[in-house]
Amino acid sequence: EAEVAQSPRYKITEKSQAVAFWCDPISGHATLYWYRQILGQGPELLVQFQDESVVDDSQLPKDRFSAERLKGVDSTLKIQPAELGDSAMYLCASSLGLAGPGGETQYFGPGTRLLVL
Amino acid sequence: AQSVTQPDIHITVSEGASLELRCNYSYGATPYLFWYVQSPGQGLQLLLKYFSGDTLVQGIKGFEAEFKRSQSSFNLRKPSVHWSDAAEYFCAVDLTGTASKLTFGTGTRLQVTL
Repeated sequence: EAEVAQSPRYKITEKSQAVAFWCDPISGHATLYWYRQILGQGPELLVQFQDESVVDDSQLPKDRFSAERLKGVDSTLKIQPAELGDSAMYLCASSLGLAGPGGETQYFGPGTRLLVL
Repeated sequence: AQSVTQPDIHITVSEGASLELRCNYSYGATPYLFWYVQSPGQGLQLLLKYFSGDTLVQGIKGFEAEFKRSQSSFNLRKPSVHWSDAAEYFCAVDLTGTASKLTFGTGTRLQVTL
């Protein structure tokens, strides 16, 4: 069964350093999402792509976070500089990107757990 | 303000016992409703979803959920819990009608005792 791939699975960094996370969605999925999940909370959407275009980045802290999906396939989320409060699980999800009754199913990757020291 | 509430942070049940996890939402209209499960070290997996029609929804792994408009609730149930069901369960809503903008609750951690 096709899965969403993410790397690295774990990342430890010091504050003020730059970090980057990579996501490879399920083949053929046009929509890609990045979520942040703080310990003890549910995931919160950071950014949504439709192909290579950003659809929604209203919750992305743009002063330090950036995301790209240059060829409309895989995606990178970057934090620079990292802050202590960025410690969280970063989840990537993808979906077909087709509108229709009942909506879509988002398929999630295993996530990248970030610890900022 | 729009919100999704999972009142129970942590629930412990014995293997073989029945399970009900609560979810309430606060929206003007009926949103699309979802239940996801997250096992340790893994991503979220969709258990079931409701968008219209029959208010009792069947999902994977023997789970079901019932939408009650009058109570703004979408509780998840399973008649007999297995030890492998131990995980974190998240209720989510979507108002766009496309399941593209999910708002998650804070989750309920399920522990299963043998």
